[in-house]
Amino acid sequence: AQTVTQSQPEMSVQEAETVTLSCTYDTSESDYYLFWYKQPPSRQMILVIRQEAYKQQNATENRFSVNFQKAAKSFSLKISDSQLGDAAMYFCAYRRGSNFGNEKLTFGTGTRLTIIP
Amino acid sequence: GAVVSQHPSRVICKSGTSVKIECRSLDFQATTMFWYRQFPKKSLMLMATSNEGSKATYEQGVEKDKFLINHASLTLSTLTVTSAHPEDSSFYICSARDRHLQYEQFFGPGTRLTVL
Repeated sequence: AQTVTQSQPEMSVQEAETVTLSCTYDTSESDYYLFWYKQPPSRQMILVIRQEAYKQQNATENRFSVNFQKAAKSFSLKISDSQLGDAAMYFCAYRRGSNFGNEKLTFGTGTRLTIIP
Repeated sequence: GAVVSQHPSRVICKSGTSVKIECRSLDFQATTMFWYRQFPKKSLMLMATSNEGSKATYEQGVEKDKFLINHASLTLSTLTVTSAHPEDSSFYICSARDRHLQYEQFFGPGTRLTVL
């Protein structure tokens, strides 16, 4: 079974600084997707960034970027120029690739990010 | 686009009663919908996966007779908590996958259930 591990229950960063959240996963599949989701106090899950396993290039979305190390099964999220609105719970998630659409997401335990003004 | 709504956002009920939570995809057709449960400061726990027109597939340990899931159309899935007890109090989240965007999953805002 696939597992996703987030070893940092809590992290904090000064506003405008950079922070990196760690995630490792375990799978025997070759085709899969990795995601970072943000859950602010409103509890609405928001997709931050997605990485397809077959792509060597690391995904980037504005201030958010990932360091995808496929051999090491590592998928860290870097947030640059941290803003107060980035404060949230961040979940790393894995999903097996499929053409059927009913593959489920496996979530890590989450990292609570605090932004210090 | 790609909005998922849930209704109600909060519900309080008495022990022994049943509660229905609706999950709707507002601007896309969802062939697959997922129901999660989240305890305070914890991760999302998948309860079941439902495909339109088919019976839901429940995760191990989830009582299918207690948590009834119906996915009758491409835009609506319902979760009914039957004979609710205080231990069923939790935050329930649905998500839906667009049939044309197989890699993306959109989440509803969640429903807070409190059983007295």
